Amino acid sequence: ILNVEQSPQSLHVQEGDSTNFTCSFPSSNFYALHWYRWETAKSPEALFVMTLNGDEKKKGRISATLNTKEGYSYLYIKGSQPEDSATYLCAPSYFNKFYFGSGTKLNVKP
Amino acid sequence: DADVTQTPRNRITKTGKRIMLECSQTKGHDRMYWYRQDPGLGLRLIYYSFDVKDINKGEISDGYSVSRQAQAKFSLSLESAIPNQTALYFCATSAPGLRARDTQYFGPGTRLTVL
Repeated sequence: ILNVEQSPQSLHVQEGDSTNFTCSFPSSNFYALHWYRWETAKSPEALFVMTLNGDEKKKGRISATLNTKEGYSYLYIKGSQPEDSATYLCAPSYFNKFYFGSGTKLNVKP
Repeated sequence: DADVTQTPRNRITKTGKRIMLECSQTKGHDRMYWYRQDPGLGLRLIYYSFDVKDINKGEISDGYSVSRQAQAKFSLSLESAIPNQTALYFCATSAPGLRARDTQYFGPGTRLTVL
């Protein structure tokens, strides 16, 4: 079993605030890092997949960076909106196995 | 129509009963997975299959078995359900490849309660 840590566990922000959260994972034998967005009562949906050290991905107001040497990834949301409220899961993969973090639950208040 | 479907969506059963959760996909993916999610924990892998003849245990396979009946179908069985198997179960599919890197596509989930 591999330890994937996400912090913070939960976050409450006001509409318009920018925010970021962290995913930490073992860097040895790393293959890829996935971020998923999971809305309540729905299924997790893929946001980004990154593989190379220094990778940066962006989708609208959401962006992510990857540091494979030290084993962490940041997810940033610029100008949070209520529709961004969800749990954000990271999942590093190693040799065809995924290990999901417990997620950061984001609540954006209007 | 959803690409990954799960049946049933909700199930309440009693301790000791055998139960099967089914997953079907129309994405044409070879790889399929079963996860369970418990409050405060991440998704944990139960079993995975890379093709019809390939079945592998995940990190928490005890008490579960699977069957890959076809490329599109992957079933999870609890031979004798126990209360600590109460959880939300997700099926997922993926395709290998340099671009997707096995990005997972999830079904809607099955909420299982074992009394």
